[in-house]
Amino acid sequence: SYVLTQPPSVSVAPGQTATIACGGNIIGIKSVHWYQQKPGQAPVVVVYDDSERPSGIPERFSGSNSGNTATLTISRAEAGDEADYYCQVWFTSSDHLVFGGGTKLTVL
Amino acid sequence: EVQLLESGGGLVQPGGSLRLSCAASGFTFSKYAMTWVRQAPGKGLELVSAISGGGGSTYYADSVKGRFIISRDNSKNTLSLQLNSLRAEDTAVYYCAKQPEYEYYYHMDVWGKGTTVTVSS
Repeated sequence: SYVLTQPPSVSVAPGQTATIACGGNIIGIKSVHWYQQKPGQAPVVVVYDDSERPSGIPERFSGSNSGNTATLTISRAEAGDEADYYCQVWFTSSDHLVFGGGTKLTVL
Repeated sequence: EVQLLESGGGLVQPGGSLRLSCAASGFTFSKYAMTWVRQAPGKGLELVSAISGGGGSTYYADSVKGRFIISRDNSKNTLSLQLNSLRAEDTAVYYCAKQPEYEYYYHMDVWGKGTTVTVSS
């Protein structure tokens, strides 16, 4: 089965840039989606199709995908960005969806 | 406003059954695939099941195949998940989530607030 690997935690200082990686075999040929989940709340998509941003999501959130790693980048990090972040991929060839294990972002 | 409202969660004994429902509003329900995603306490996200806009295609995670049944009533804008032969490891918050296309190979663009299922004796 396919595995998406995320670091368990990432820390960033306010105003700096946070990068969260999602590793997987040739993930660069797949569409990767990213979700933000704050404590006690449902997930919210912040980036879809590698780098598209839904309406209402700040431009500070961006994504990229190449080779074996997809990356979510959060510029000018704010305290309100503290959350768990999950990457997600659909494998249409095997009809299988995979979530990464999640990364806890701390802004300190 | 697009809204999803889950219901039907609760406490059930191992081996028991439960039926979850998701009431959708604010969009043309039949045009979009729908999914159920769960999250065990302190754990990550897991796609449980998905269904295409017309209901003709369905997906189940290996962990629930043969025990859970997804269905939809497009005339009532309602998504359902029948949970049978429940196990302790099915304990989780179950989220109803919409996809942006008719088929379910995309991301989840709208989520409900979730309903909690606890399997315990």
